[in-house]
Amino acid sequence: IAGITQAPTSQILAAGRRMTLRCTQDMRHNAMYWYRQDLGLGLRLIHYSNTAGTTGKGEVPDGYSVSRANTDDFPLTLASAVPSQTSVYFCASSDSDGGVGRAFFGQGTRLTVV
Amino acid sequence: GQNIDQPTEMTATEGAIVQINCTYQTSGFNGLFWYQQHAGEAPTFLSYNVLDGLEEKGRFSSFLSRSKGYSYLLLKELQMKDSASYLCASLDSNYQLIWGAGTKLIIKP
Repeated sequence: IAGITQAPTSQILAAGRRMTLRCTQDMRHNAMYWYRQDLGLGLRLIHYSNTAGTTGKGEVPDGYSVSRANTDDFPLTLASAVPSQTSVYFCASSDSDGGVGRAFFGQGTRLTVV
Repeated sequence: GQNIDQPTEMTATEGAIVQINCTYQTSGFNGLFWYQQHAGEAPTFLSYNVLDGLEEKGRFSSFLSRSKGYSYLLLKELQMKDSASYLCASLDSNYQLIWGAGTKLIIKP
């Protein structure tokens, strides 16, 4: 693994189903983030984690949950998917020791909820 | 509230110069970032300004005026591969990035 990896790259999901988007980084960054990107809107922060064991809510957290059991992994779970959660999801990480803001992004997960 | 404004789309000619403007209003300020995002790909870091003035990095330069809440990204000697969206983002008082919607730059031969 080099950098930050997301899985799956794309998914079509039936409404009401549960889904976990996976994110793994090998840069030993403390901070990790989940964003959604919708046409005409900026990246919107869903949840973040400043360090392993801690998480926080971003701008649009409803319907999503995260966990940070270790430094490398930061999965995002949709408990019961709805069509408005159709979006491109990006996971990102940054070095909180002086590198906050210089985020490295995964390749994205394109999720369609039908 | 927090707000980042940048033009939705710009068109420029190969070999020319283009300036993409960004105005920001955020709760606190810890720096201004520019990212490049090619269609279907992830954003990648271009530049960071925290002090007033111009930062030059090859064909790309970024300017910041904190008193005016204003930044621009200057791209010189445009190449076709520069066709992409350019995202402006401000780091707020909580050290969270607040993102603009992005400027889609179209380069014509």
